[in-house]
Amino acid sequence: DAGVTQSPTHLIKTRGQQVTLRCSPKSGHDTVSWYQQALGQGPQFIFQYYEEEERQRGNFPDRFSGHQFPNYSSELNVNALLLGDSALYLCASSLFRQIEAFFGQGTRLTVV
Amino acid sequence: ELKVEQNPLFLSMQEGKNYTIYCNYSTTSDRLYWYRQDPGKSLESLFVLLSNGAVKQEGRLMASLDTKARLSTLHITAAVHDLSATYFCAVNQGGSEKLVFGKGTKLTVNP
Repeated sequence: DAGVTQSPTHLIKTRGQQVTLRCSPKSGHDTVSWYQQALGQGPQFIFQYYEEEERQRGNFPDRFSGHQFPNYSSELNVNALLLGDSALYLCASSLFRQIEAFFGQGTRLTVV
Repeated sequence: ELKVEQNPLFLSMQEGKNYTIYCNYSTTSDRLYWYRQDPGKSLESLFVLLSNGAVKQEGRLMASLDTKARLSTLHITAAVHDLSATYFCAVNQGGSEKLVFGKGTKLTVNP
């Protein structure tokens, strides 16, 4: 049983560009949450998707958007990249409103 | 707004010693999580604590929760080098699925 998988694992982009990160949840899970972890910091909640809708959102600008597909996989899109967007982006999957969440290995985004 | 504070942020200890990491949070929450993160890696779930007085143990780690004091502790017994990692506590905002994380405690266990 595959756990939470994210792609790509590493990515380098230039300021102003756009990026798409992908997440496949653990088998049987229907909810995906995205977190941003800057170097030396704890993860910060970006948003959560369930039933292909954004259910909750953290304190992130509209440049951060997402999508969830019928197979429960999810994408995180970031437009107009800034240097400060450089971080580890983590995807967590769970069953909606259940306690346990499992994190993927993350995508390391570097903006130059 | 929910705030989560951990202390200490850095902890260097000798093998065989005991120590405690503290996690305070500012508002009522349904549950508290402890995670471990190795450098460059993802988060590994250690414990989920759901009720006042909850205590869970796994190997050399024991976590407890006092909801009245809004405090959780992660106690390390007879530390070994393999426990070197960063430990995070996280709390869900009441009625919400959003997890708010502390800044983490970087633990280094020296021989």
